[in-house]
Amino acid sequence: GAGVSQSPSNKVTEKGKDVELRCDPISGHTALYWYRQSLGQGLEFLIYFQGNSAPDKSGLPSDRFSAERTGGSVSTLTIQRTQQEDSAVYLCASSLDRSGYQPQHFGDGTRLSIL
Amino acid sequence: DAKTTQPPSMDCAEGRAANLPCNHSTISGNEYVYWYRQIHSQGPQYIIHGLKNNETNEMASLIITEDRKSSTLILPHATLRDTAVYYCIVGPSGTYKYIFGTGTRLKVLA
Repeated sequence: GAGVSQSPSNKVTEKGKDVELRCDPISGHTALYWYRQSLGQGLEFLIYFQGNSAPDKSGLPSDRFSAERTGGSVSTLTIQRTQQEDSAVYLCASSLDRSGYQPQHFGDGTRLSIL
Repeated sequence: DAKTTQPPSMDCAEGRAANLPCNHSTISGNEYVYWYRQIHSQGPQYIIHGLKNNETNEMASLIITEDRKSSTLILPHATLRDTAVYYCIVGPSGTYKYIFGTGTRLKVLA
């Protein structure tokens, strides 16, 4: 079946613009995660959704970042007034639920470049 | 949030077993150990996970020490396609934050 799909795969934008990144999880997966990976670094956890709810938003780097999930499926990560330090690969993952039995399945990410 | 420690890099000869260590001394009783790998420009790929017992699947084996403070991922017959960054993480914690760290860069040599 289809895996986690992220769009766009690449995004180049000017500093100060808003960007919206999309994640389509695997069908039936109730848990959804967003991560950020800067060049040569590990993954930085941003936010987690169980269904449409995000129990903990403290991983979001600043109030310019927001995320939502509708219908328990598609999620969007929005970055307002982008800064050069926002340049990174943004990865989305989903799992069947958040129990320890279910591993996360990742998309190939959106590579965001802020000029 | 439990953290893991891994060596930054390792080399392995093609066809030999690759043994990748991970320390997770602050792991709590209900947290699992997961292993993922990431090949350049792709998202991480799930390999294996376990709680207390050793686990094996078609990709790898996972050996967890009895005190659960460390584990080893074993790729029994490494191939050039196994060259990747390997991440060991523990979770889920009560805060849902999975901390990936910088992983081990495994290079399989021909």
